[in-house]
Amino acid sequence: DQQVKQNSPSLSVQEGRISILNCDYTNSMFDYFLWYKKYPAEGPTFLISISSIKDKNEDGRFTVFLNKSAKHLSLHIVPSQPGDSAVYFCAASESEKLVFGKGTKLTVNP
Amino acid sequence: DAGITQSPRHKVTETGTPVTLRCHQTENHRYMYWYRQDPGHGLRLIHYSYGVKDTDKGEVSDGYSVSRSKTEDFLLTLESATSSQTSVYFCAISESNLMNTEAFFGQGTRLTVV
Repeated sequence: DQQVKQNSPSLSVQEGRISILNCDYTNSMFDYFLWYKKYPAEGPTFLISISSIKDKNEDGRFTVFLNKSAKHLSLHIVPSQPGDSAVYFCAASESEKLVFGKGTKLTVNP
Repeated sequence: DAGITQSPRHKVTETGTPVTLRCHQTENHRYMYWYRQDPGHGLRLIHYSYGVKDTDKGEVSDGYSVSRSKTEDFLLTLESATSSQTSVYFCAISESNLMNTEAFFGQGTRLTVV
């Protein structure tokens, strides 16, 4: 049973517009959430995170929102740039493990 | 960049043969992880280690074993490789448990079992 779900396999946006990537989770014991970005033939790299005691964390063009009651988080990228084109993984921390979603492939068109 | 090296980067092996993948870190991080990435599945945890000789299973541990005899090295062994183990394998490290810190990933090992 998948505990972290990214229901959109892909997303395409125009350069300069907002990208919104969504993630749902089922395990209420998760208390730390992270987004990782992955380019082809490379390992994932950390992007941004949020603790469950917060509802928003911002870092430059990237903002993560957490809605604990809905068990939902989202990553906003604004403005989107072609270099943001990558696969984005949502992850949740449970004790010493990190559980990943299946990923969403973002394509930012010039 | 965090000092993580995976070897080999690519390997083709025959069904039924044992295979060992190596992850080497120079960061002295306590935690090390092995994940596999497959289309439609994202990243799935195979095994992890929280110290020398301390390891535990992840969600897809069947057919795999690990060893960590020193802080810097975490080995993943496929005891008898099967075609279902064709995948890209990623090693990751973290300084503390993942309650509040990020993990750093290696560049991956592409394994093909024929």
